[in-house]
Amino acid sequence: GESVGLHLPTLSVQEGDNSIINCAYSNSASDYFIWYKQESGKGPQFIIDIRSNMDKRQGQRVTVLLNKTVKHLSLQIAATQPGDSAVYFCAENGIDMRFGAGTRLTVKP
Amino acid sequence: GAVVSQHPSWVICKSGTSVKIECRSLDFQATTMFWYRQFPKQSLMLMATSNEGSKATYEQGVEKDKFLINHASLTLSTLTVTSAHPEDSSFYICSAGTGFGYTFGSGTRLTVV
Repeated sequence: GESVGLHLPTLSVQEGDNSIINCAYSNSASDYFIWYKQESGKGPQFIIDIRSNMDKRQGQRVTVLLNKTVKHLSLQIAATQPGDSAVYFCAENGIDMRFGAGTRLTVKP
Repeated sequence: GAVVSQHPSWVICKSGTSVKIECRSLDFQATTMFWYRQFPKQSLMLMATSNEGSKATYEQGVEKDKFLINHASLTLSTLTVTSAHPEDSSFYICSAGTGFGYTFGSGTRLTVV
């Protein structure tokens, strides 16, 4: 079946730098996407979402970009902090919720 | 905001016994709930989708007789791991939603000894 996946399993950045986490999706009919953050031993937490009628959405220090042409999502974190270290998942919010492998972000002090 | 309470947060049980995990939506009604399991350093794997008042839909490869799901009300879904074995040890997470927007529970660490 169709699935959501992630390009990179790990990402290491220096504190203060910007981080970019990528996600590819395969269901062209998906119209709603969510980025989640999961810290060790905890459930995923909502970060930001975007609907397919938008190309970009900004939150506090985070920006999600959607490229429907190539079915690609990205999450940009500005001025990455140690507290941003976690696994990040993108998900399609359609009939069900399926996750890609996730990207582990490590922030070096 | 929407809050999902999951209990217990951790449980240790003996092989062959059954364990029940509860997932409650505290301040909203959840027509759909999802159950996931997660092994170390791996992604969440969808086990089943439960809809209030109807039978759960299980993902391929998930034994419905082993992982019993009950969604008897709009605020409560339970996952019972029956006759647990050490290979069932995992992190189980639920999520609840109303069709748009989903909130996750804090997860249950199950260890079968």
